[in-house]
Amino acid sequence: NAGVTQTPKFRILKIGQSMTLQCTQDMNHNYMYWYRQDPGMGLKLIYYSVGAGITDKGEVPNGYNVSRSTTEDFPLRLELAAPSQTSVYFCASSSVAGHEQYFGPGTRLTVT
Amino acid sequence: DQQVKQNSPSLSVQEGRISILNCDYTNSMFDYFLWYKKYPAEGPTFLISISSIKDKNEDGRFTVFLNKSAKHLSLHIVPSQPGDSAVYFCAASASSGSARQLTFGSGTQLTVLP
Repeated sequence: NAGVTQTPKFRILKIGQSMTLQCTQDMNHNYMYWYRQDPGMGLKLIYYSVGAGITDKGEVPNGYNVSRSTTEDFPLRLELAAPSQTSVYFCASSSVAGHEQYFGPGTRLTVT
Repeated sequence: DQQVKQNSPSLSVQEGRISILNCDYTNSMFDYFLWYKKYPAEGPTFLISISSIKDKNEDGRFTVFLNKSAKHLSLHIVPSQPGDSAVYFCAASASSGSARQLTFGSGTQLTVLP
């Protein structure tokens, strides 16, 4: 049982480039989330989804987009990378809203 | 405005002794609280949770206490082990809203000294 998987593990982008962070879960969870964690800070919610086809903004959505075409996948898209998006990105899923979330291993992104 | 605060960025404890990690919150609508543990280069892993209808929840060496009047929760680890060295995040959620989003504190780095 793989749980939540994220790819890539590391990525360096130049300013203005775009990329998609992939997230897949095999637990059949309806709820999925994207967070970013900056040094010395807690996790901040970027976007979340309550089921296939339904997404909504979190606390820090600017500069990002998401889609949820299947229960398993929840990709995060950065269209025009900026240095402020340098961070570690975590994807998570849960079966019950607001309760225990299962996290992926993270993607460390650097924008220079 | 931080709704969930962990005021101690770090804590060092001797192996075998008790570790006490603290967390304060400001939003009175929060009714479910969780603790997560995070090792370097890994995602957070769920440790223990508590509903606002309880004031204590215990799971092995880990106990979470909730003081609703003080808007304060704490995690006790007894006895502490070197493998407990990690960053600990507290998180809270409110029953309003479709996704009951979690709000995280900034974390406390626990170091258990052998």
